[in-house]
Amino acid sequence: NAGVMQNPRHLVRRRGQEARLRCSPVKGHSHVYWYRQLPEEGLKFMVYLQKENIIDESGMPKERFSAEFPKEGPSILRIQQVVRGDSAAYFCASSPDANSPLHFGNGTRLTVT
Amino acid sequence: DQQVKQNSPSLSVQEGRISILNCDYTNSMFDYFLWYKKYPAEGPTFLISISSIKDKNEDGRFTVFLNKSAKHLSLHIVPSQPGDSAVYFCAAMGSNTDKLIFGTGTRLQVFP
Repeated sequence: NAGVMQNPRHLVRRRGQEARLRCSPVKGHSHVYWYRQLPEEGLKFMVYLQKENIIDESGMPKERFSAEFPKEGPSILRIQQVVRGDSAAYFCASSPDANSPLHFGNGTRLTVT
Repeated sequence: DQQVKQNSPSLSVQEGRISILNCDYTNSMFDYFLWYKKYPAEGPTFLISISSIKDKNEDGRFTVFLNKSAKHLSLHIVPSQPGDSAVYFCAAMGSNTDKLIFGTGTRLQVFP
């Protein structure tokens, strides 16, 4: 049973480019969460999605960031016009329901040059 | 507004001794608490949890204690092993929130 799969593991983008981070949840999990970890900081919640619906995006910056979890395919976190401050590790997690522990992927480390 | 706080950024313990990691929270609506362990370049992995209806939960070498009146929980690892060296995150959720709120983590180093 595969765990949460994130790709790419490492992503380098120049300022102004777009970054797309993908997350395939554990099979059967319909709840997906995205967290960001800045250097020397903890995990900060960004967005919570269920299939085709955004449940809570209170942690997402209002501009440039968007997330989706389509009926078919992985969840995508999209960052437009990246800036150096977007450099961080982005972790995706999934769960079968809202009350179960989250299963995390190994993250995508985004570096903006 | 840090609702979950881990005030010790690091802890060093000798192999075989007890490791005690602490966590404080401010939101009285939190009713479910978890500990995650994270190795470098990997995602956090779930370790142990506790519901607010309990004050202790034990799983092998790991025990979590919850003191609701003090809004404090702790993770005890005994005996500590070198493989326990990692960053430990405390997390909480409750009836008024639909997501896990994480602390900033404590880096545990277990030396021989």
